[in-house]
Amino acid sequence: SYVLTQPPSVSVAPGKTARITCGGNNIGSKSVHWYQQKPGQAPVLVIYYDSDRPSGIPERFSGSNSGNTATLTISRVEAGDEADYYCQVWDSSSDHPGVFGTGTKVTVL
Amino acid sequence: QVQLQESGPGLVKPSETLSLTCAVSGYSISSGYYWGWIRQPPGKGLEWIGSIYHSGSTYYNPSLKSRVTISVDTSKNQFSLKLSSVTAADTAVYYCARHDGGSPNAFDIWGQGTMVTVSS
Repeated sequence: SYVLTQPPSVSVAPGKTARITCGGNNIGSKSVHWYQQKPGQAPVLVIYYDSDRPSGIPERFSGSNSGNTATLTISRVEAGDEADYYCQVWDSSSDHPGVFGTGTKVTVL
Repeated sequence: QVQLQESGPGLVKPSETLSLTCAVSGYSISSGYYWGWIRQPPGKGLEWIGSIYHSGSTYYNPSLKSRVTISVDTSKNQFSLKLSSVTAADTAVYYCARHDGGSPNAFDIWGQGTMVTVSS
């Protein structure tokens, strides 16, 4: 089945930029979605279809996808951005269409 | 607004069947969208279990397919998960969620999740 690999952790100082990668074979040909999950809470969709932001998500969150890597970028990081982040793809032609990445813990220093 | 709420036993014995229901409010399931189940073992990542359309069309995670049944009840505006022959490895928070758009893709609305422990 398709594997999405994320770094286990990313640390960033307040006001700086955090970049979280999601690696997968030819992921650039798929639509990638990103979720933020804070402790004890359900995940929240922050980026879908590679780079679109759902209503209510700050412009500080952006996404890109090309080749074998998709990236979630958080600009001007705030303490409230500290959370786990997961990428996800859906491939209806696969026998395992729904796949989540391994997850990245973002720590704000 | 659309809200999802999981319900079911919080404790299931090994070898028995885990049964959960997701009640949908603020939207009629029969109007469209795919609906899914995702789980998260304690301290671990998210795992997609399966998804269903209001017509009953389903997609399942192949690693769970032999034990999983997802069904929809449009009259009650809810959908359900059954996972048979459970073991301690099935202990997790179980979430129901809605796929955005007319075909399954992102999960745009999630329930709060319900913890299920498998133990005798």
